[in-house]
Amino acid sequence: EAQVTQNPRYLITVTGKKLTVTCSQNMNHEYMSWYRQDPGLGLRQIYYSMNVEVTDKGDVPEGYKVSRKEKRNFPLILESPSPNQTSLYFCASEGRRTGSSYNEQFFGPGTRLTVL
Amino acid sequence: DQQVKQNSPSLSVQEGRISILNCDYTNSMFDYFLWYKKYPAEGPTFLISISSIKDKNEDGRFTVFLNKSAKHLSLHIVPSQPGDSAVYFCAASAKTGTASKLTFGTGTRLQVTL
Repeated sequence: EAQVTQNPRYLITVTGKKLTVTCSQNMNHEYMSWYRQDPGLGLRQIYYSMNVEVTDKGDVPEGYKVSRKEKRNFPLILESPSPNQTSLYFCASEGRRTGSSYNEQFFGPGTRLTVL
Repeated sequence: DQQVKQNSPSLSVQEGRISILNCDYTNSMFDYFLWYKKYPAEGPTFLISISSIKDKNEDGRFTVFLNKSAKHLSLHIVPSQPGDSAVYFCAASAKTGTASKLTFGTGTRLQVTL
């Protein structure tokens, strides 16, 4: 089954304790990205990656790092989490459905992060 | 600066009636528009899209209308069903170099009542 997986699904941590949220896709997509969803703000892009070893900042990159060492994985790293990073995070990969003329984003199930 | 706006945070519609969800945008460089549906505890899933060269796209009960002059698009669901209850995100795409950047609206929570 074609999918994007994220782990963990839920995480409660404390300020300053480094954490990593993993993301993996099995669709051989080149383009992957991370979003955060906050009430009243919708989905905002944090970082994206156009291919292995190619990453760039999205709209809200401060406080986050990413890496893309292999095509299927795109982990999100919070070196020193702060309470304002409490949010719902989504990983996505971009590809084209059979018969479609345009790419669409396939989202993972989300990771709810609470930073105390 | 919110380039894609969904001004109605919530909408309640009776089963069988039409649901109309609205979206406004400001960036004239957007060339493709998408609607995503999100259930609780799940990631958004693609619903329907429309290119900027068209003014209507239909897929079963779902129709998206685009009014470029007004920078406005809408999603019509007819007839609405209880399973349509979800949060709907409008998204717009603009080419940035070799990639397309997707900008999302804030979402509209649709509740379809019996």
